[in-house]
Amino acid sequence: ETGVTQSPTHLIKTRGQQVTLRCSSQSGHNTVSWYQQALGQGPQFIFQYYREEENGRGNFPPRFSGLQFPNYSSELNVNALELDDSALYLCASSGRLGVRKETQYFGPGTRLLVL
Amino acid sequence: DQQVKQNSPSLSVQEGRISILNCDYTNSMFDYFLWYKKYPAEGPTFLISISSIKDKNEDGRFTVFLNKSAKHLSLHIVPSQPGDSAVYFCAASEGYGGSQGNLIFGKGTKLSVKP
Repeated sequence: ETGVTQSPTHLIKTRGQQVTLRCSSQSGHNTVSWYQQALGQGPQFIFQYYREEENGRGNFPPRFSGLQFPNYSSELNVNALELDDSALYLCASSGRLGVRKETQYFGPGTRLLVL
Repeated sequence: DQQVKQNSPSLSVQEGRISILNCDYTNSMFDYFLWYKKYPAEGPTFLISISSIKDKNEDGRFTVFLNKSAKHLSLHIVPSQPGDSAVYFCAASEGYGGSQGNLIFGKGTKLSVKP
């Protein structure tokens, strides 16, 4: 069984640029959630996708957007990057039949540095 | 305002002894709680969860206790092993009736188990 994978592992961008992060969910999972983890903090919920539709959003501006594809993989797009967007971005999948969907399984994350 | 609080940033324990990690929450609508373990350069790994209808859940060396009246939960690790050294995050969710299952995380407690 393949776990959650994310790409790229590391990324350096400059202010104002745009970035796309990718996530492949765990086999059998139909829900993908994205989190931002700043240094010394716990992960913060960005949004969740279920069956290709946004299914909840945290306190993040519209320049954070996402997509989920028919194979349940997902993308996180961030436009007009700001220095404070530097963080670890985590993708989590859930929704296996018989397992409560709040039990989320995380990928290794993408570390984004904005200069 | 933090809804999930882990007030101890760090904890040091001798190998073989019990580790007790604590977590407090403020939102009475939370009905599902989880503990995750995180090693450096990896994503959080799901450890154990508990529903608000229970007060205890056990899985091998890991036991989670929930005290709803005090809005407090704890994770007990017995016996502690050096490989348990990691950052432990407490997370909570309002479940199906709330925010579509997104997780609210504490800031984490760094556990060091000394041989």
